[in-house]
Amino acid sequence: AQKITQTQPGMFVQEKEAVTLDCTYDTSDPSYGLFWYKQPSSGEMIFLIYQGSYDQQNATEGRYSLNFQKARKSANLVISASQLGDSAMYFCAMRGDTGANSKLTFGKGITLSVRP
Amino acid sequence: ETGVTQTPRHLVMGMTNKKSLKCEQHLGHNAMYWYKQSAKKPLELMFVYSLEERVENNSVPSRFSPECPNSSHLFLHLHTLQPEDSALYLCASSQQGSYEQYFGPGTRLTVT
Repeated sequence: AQKITQTQPGMFVQEKEAVTLDCTYDTSDPSYGLFWYKQPSSGEMIFLIYQGSYDQQNATEGRYSLNFQKARKSANLVISASQLGDSAMYFCAMRGDTGANSKLTFGKGITLSVRP
Repeated sequence: ETGVTQTPRHLVMGMTNKKSLKCEQHLGHNAMYWYKQSAKKPLELMFVYSLEERVENNSVPSRFSPECPNSSHLFLHLHTLQPEDSALYLCASSQQGSYEQYFGPGTRLTVT
């Protein structure tokens, strides 16, 4: 089985500052992928960033970077230079390679509010 | 249109009604998914179709009936629903073997 844990309460950040959203995971698969999705109030889940478990470097996509610490089983999302449009729910997810773990498993999500 | 589209965006139905949710993907993908997102709960995978065949059914009640007539379209037929079925229903698609899934905007369903 695999599990994603997101325990932060609602997060607030000042516009133009950086913010870190926490995610820890658990899996028995030797190979897996970690994802972050953004869900604005409109409901659509927007893919942000992907990190493979064997990737040597932390993933980056524009203002998004993933702080991957394999030994600690954490995959935190860092958003730099926050913008008002970043206010949304953020979901961490993972997908393994074997059997039931080969489907996406999501965490409960974190609400981020960006203050002007 | 591009990406994944879903219709209707909002649906209110009584417990005795029959309705269908529609999903269409314009990405050339060969796998499609239905998810349920209830308030304060993680997304729950309901069904997976790969190459138009259902490959996963996560113990979903029979009042939800999926249909995948081709690789671009996915339906979720609803009948005799319960108020606890009220949720956001999200469709997603991916290319088989790829990690990344692309989601539609969802259908907000309210069962009265």
